[in-house]
Amino acid sequence: DVKVTQSSRYLVKRTGEKVFLECVQDMDHENMFWYRQDPGLGLRLIYFSYDVKMKEKGDIPEGYSVSREKKERFSLILESASTNQTSMYLCASRAGTWWMNQPQHFGDGTRLSIL
Amino acid sequence: AQTVTQSQPEMSVQEAETVTLSCTYDTSESDYYLFWYKQPPSRQMILVIRQEAYKQQNATENRFSVNFQKAAKSFSLKISDSQLGDAAMYFCAFATGANSKLTFGKGITLSVRP
Repeated sequence: DVKVTQSSRYLVKRTGEKVFLECVQDMDHENMFWYRQDPGLGLRLIYFSYDVKMKEKGDIPEGYSVSREKKERFSLILESASTNQTSMYLCASRAGTWWMNQPQHFGDGTRLSIL
Repeated sequence: AQTVTQSQPEMSVQEAETVTLSCTYDTSESDYYLFWYKQPPSRQMILVIRQEAYKQQNATENRFSVNFQKAAKSFSLKISDSQLGDAAMYFCAFATGANSKLTFGKGITLSVRP
């Protein structure tokens, strides 16, 4: 089974801090994704990566950046955390770049609170 | 741009009964895939079922089946013989085009009454 591991289940940070959320997958997947999940809004794509060092903006990239130095690891960075970034963050990975039939595999999520 | 609409925020079903969760989508693409994902209270999202747009036959996975109406852009999920473990949030999602990003609906919370 595919394993997608997010470094923290719960995280509390202060406004203005630089926050790192880490995600590791063990199936050599080319694609990795970061979403945020908010009640009534579903999942919204922040950034995704289809290869090492490659990244593309999703629907809501403002206030975030990402890093993918190794194939198995995809990091989400909040450059200067703000209270409106309090949310559940989900990481996912998927095999193949162009295979849209392949499902995404998700981590357990990180519930981030910015105080 | 693609949109996915799940108009019902919540539904409830009696254990052992059948329930249908609705989903509609909007796209100008002809080649795409549709998915239903389940997110139990433990939070890990898992795939329930997927449907290729070019296939007329509705997908089935054990107690889960879809009613795919391409012309109407409708993709509903039917859960038969509902079990307590089916209680979760269900998301409809759509994938097409380069890099095949998923577009999700807002989700529906399904509760199962014992």
